[in-house]
Amino acid sequence: SQKIEQNSEALNIQEGKTATLTCNYTNYSPAYLQWYRQDPGRGPVFLLLIRENEKEKRKERLKVTFDTTLKQSLFHITASQPADSATYLCALKENSGYSTLTFGKGTMLLVSP
Amino acid sequence: NAGVTQTPKFQVLKTGQSMTLQCAQDMNHNSMYWYRQDPGMGLRLIYYSASEGTTDKGEVPNGYNVSRLNKREFSLRLESAAPSQTSVYFCASATFTGVTEAFFGQGTRLTVV
Repeated sequence: SQKIEQNSEALNIQEGKTATLTCNYTNYSPAYLQWYRQDPGRGPVFLLLIRENEKEKRKERLKVTFDTTLKQSLFHITASQPADSATYLCALKENSGYSTLTFGKGTMLLVSP
Repeated sequence: NAGVTQTPKFQVLKTGQSMTLQCAQDMNHNSMYWYRQDPGMGLRLIYYSASEGTTDKGEVPNGYNVSRLNKREFSLRLESAAPSQTSVYFCASATFTGVTEAFFGQGTRLTVV
């Protein structure tokens, strides 16, 4: 069966460190993979998109990698700040005709001062 | 710039009552979606509309109906609410599904008693 797996346990890190979140998928052939941030009581907000033929994408302190062999995406936040504390969701769109965006369950990140 | 606007923000229904959740976007997007988010289950797609005039079922459509009223508006109807439909509902829109970022509304917290 198809699965998108993100760590269900919260990730706790110190301010200034690099946070690394993982998104693994099974039985998908994604054409695009996206990362979103969700704060409590709010809707998800788009952060980054990476295509299947791209290995890495950067935006300010954010970096996403996409390894279609390992079937994995890593999301990095460098020089993390308490304001980065939120739940981060990965989502993918398959490379097959018309398909919708499927989300993982998200990983909560807690950055302590 | 309003983005994606959902109404209402909160609603309490009795079992068997009906209601319509409204969603409107002002970004001229082609595609619109309804998701529900439950603890431990992540975001699950209920229905989507790839373009004006079309609607399709997502992962969890039972108990729901939708209407793409025009390019801006996409409503979700619960004909006979059940406690299992207690959830947070998010509407989203995108230019092209999965290929471009999705914009989410602020959510509707629905409780069915």
